[in-house]
Amino acid sequence: GEDVEQSLFLSVREGDSSVINCTYTDSSSTYLYWYKQEPGAGLQLLTYIFSNMDMKQDQRLTVLLNKKDKHLSLRIADTQTGDSAIYFCAGRTGANSKLTFGKGITLSVRP
Amino acid sequence: GAVVSQHPSRVICKSGTSVKIECRSLDFQATTMFWYRQFPKQSLMLMATSNEGSKATYEQGVEKDKFLINHASLTLSTLTVTSAHPEDSSFYICSARDRSGQLHTEAFFGQGTRLTVV
Repeated sequence: GEDVEQSLFLSVREGDSSVINCTYTDSSSTYLYWYKQEPGAGLQLLTYIFSNMDMKQDQRLTVLLNKKDKHLSLRIADTQTGDSAIYFCAGRTGANSKLTFGKGITLSVRP
Repeated sequence: GAVVSQHPSRVICKSGTSVKIECRSLDFQATTMFWYRQFPKQSLMLMATSNEGSKATYEQGVEKDKFLINHASLTLSTLTVTSAHPEDSSFYICSARDRSGQLHTEAFFGQGTRLTVV
């Protein structure tokens, strides 16, 4: 099955870019997602990318996928204090397979 | 995007009582719903997969008799924590899969339920 890993904490200054990284183990991963979780709340889907893509951009968010290294990253441009949250990557290998989540990284944006 | 509503958002109950949590898909029909548990500062752990009209599939180590799942309609799944104990205190989150097979709709989650057992 899939296994995804993330580092734990990132602190950035408001206005800077943030880059959150994730690695996964299953090379047959087809669908990869980024979620945001604010304190006491559920998960908000930010974006997703299919394995046949290398990059996807959506406003301030840019997702890069390196299939060779099984590495996924999320770049947040012009990071704001409202971006402070826990970010999870998740992946699955097929339409009926389970989502597997990374441990999550806490992003803290300082003024 | 697809909307998944979860209720209640927060509940406190006494040890030994049972608590029911509801998960509804508001703007699509969900043949499958997923129940997760999240411990503080940790990631989500899949507990079970709930299929409309059939029995839920539980992950290894999850007690079926403890966490009862019912998926009676295409828009509603319930998780009942029976005979709750303090160690059941946690954050429970559901997600739902669109019956039309739109893959990314599975990725939409409820807002979570904070259960505290005292």
